[in-house]
Amino acid sequence: GAGVSQSPRYKVAKRGQDVALRCDPISGHVSLFWYQQALGQGPEFLTYFQNEAQLDKSGLPSDRFFAERPEGSVSTLKIQRTQQEDSAVYLCASSAGQYYGYTFGSGTRLTVV
Amino acid sequence: KNEVEQSPQNLTAQEGEFITINCSYSVGISALHWLQQHPGGGIVSLFMLSSGKKKHGRLIATINIQEKHSSLHITASHPRDSAVYICAVRGAGGSQGNLIFGKGTKLSVKP
Repeated sequence: GAGVSQSPRYKVAKRGQDVALRCDPISGHVSLFWYQQALGQGPEFLTYFQNEAQLDKSGLPSDRFFAERPEGSVSTLKIQRTQQEDSAVYLCASSAGQYYGYTFGSGTRLTVV
Repeated sequence: KNEVEQSPQNLTAQEGEFITINCSYSVGISALHWLQQHPGGGIVSLFMLSSGKKKHGRLIATINIQEKHSSLHITASHPRDSAVYICAVRGAGGSQGNLIFGKGTKLSVKP
């Protein structure tokens, strides 16, 4: 596609519910990144894929967070047993490689009630 | 102390003014990004640089590796430039996507 597409755009989840957030990167982009942005804060790194390999997951805040990119294109960020502190905008970005710029999606705003 | 500091936090300018946003960082880096975020969350990547200066239209980004400092300049500012501008660095030992973000500078350009 022309850009990075994220869905859903908004998600309201009840505390304890599992959620899945989807990212469709630009076709052919090998690198894919997930970031979490709390209200009024800058984004924070969660995890990074190169093709289907998850090369860095050091930013995932707990084992309730899990990301996958099984075929090296679409990625899903799953949050199990959501908590209120998980409320944030989840941003996905993709890149053609290490020496290229990033293209960000519009984000998924998750609200846990 | 944050590893990436931006100044000012908020900036109001009149249309046509020359604007400078500063970013200082305390870690060794392999790249620095300037990003633009509009209300509603969408982020646009403006520049990625590791040395020198880059220019795109009315935007200019500079970096001084020795001083660990970067600036984003906007010439002939316009109300449509109103947004949050975010500086982010990739640490020298970090993976490609492991960026450290500043808190952003909120720019408002008045007509």
